[in-house]
Amino acid sequence: AIRMTQSPSSFSASTGDRVTITCRASQGISSYLAWYQQKPGKAPKLLIYAASTLQSGVPSRFSGSGSGTDFTLTISCLQSEDFATYYCQQYYSYPITFGQGTRLEIK
Amino acid sequence: QVQLQESGPGLVKPSQTLSLTCTVSGGSISSGSYYWSWIRQPAGKGLEWIGRIYTSGSTNYNPSLKSRVTISVDTSKNQFSLKLSSVTAADTAVYYCARDHTTWVQDPGYFDYWGQGTLVTVSS
Repeated sequence: AIRMTQSPSSFSASTGDRVTITCRASQGISSYLAWYQQKPGKAPKLLIYAASTLQSGVPSRFSGSGSGTDFTLTISCLQSEDFATYYCQQYYSYPITFGQGTRLEIK
Repeated sequence: QVQLQESGPGLVKPSQTLSLTCTVSGGSISSGSYYWSWIRQPAGKGLEWIGRIYTSGSTNYNPSLKSRVTISVDTSKNQFSLKLSSVTAADTAVYYCARDHTTWVQDPGYFDYWGQGTLVTVSS
């Protein structure tokens, strides 16, 4: 199975900050990567697929980049509603696997 | 707007079989090139993909659970179901159903619609 490793596991930031979360795959996955946002008690919400394609309805302050083994999710100007846990997911091969999550907290 | 809703017992005894159903509304489960997946999340932990099914009945399972998992579909009811046998406390989790958006049939996909999740506790 392809292992997905996110960094950092958690960190604090302030509204208005620009933040970047990293996801590394244990082997190349081309651009078969998605990013999700999850708030407590809620289902994950798809933000980005194909590494950099914004899902319909997702604010443009979210962006994704990368290919191969290294990927990033960037939030350009943090809003209060962005404090949540973020997961990456590879869909290059079976089994589908997720990163362990990055918890973004208010400073 | 596609909506998914999980249903099933919230408490299952150890060694028994966990059974959940996902009802899809706002569209036919048979339309488009979509698979339908089950994903779980133990409390405070990350997400684990369990498996998925196409409306033809074709399935893919996570090898870590494959020996205990069966996923089926009932297109007449717009539903798909999960059975997980021989459960233990380690199977306690929130179980989600989700639409698996795949570009090529039989290739893995990403999840664009999710149910709200249902907590299943394994305890005697």
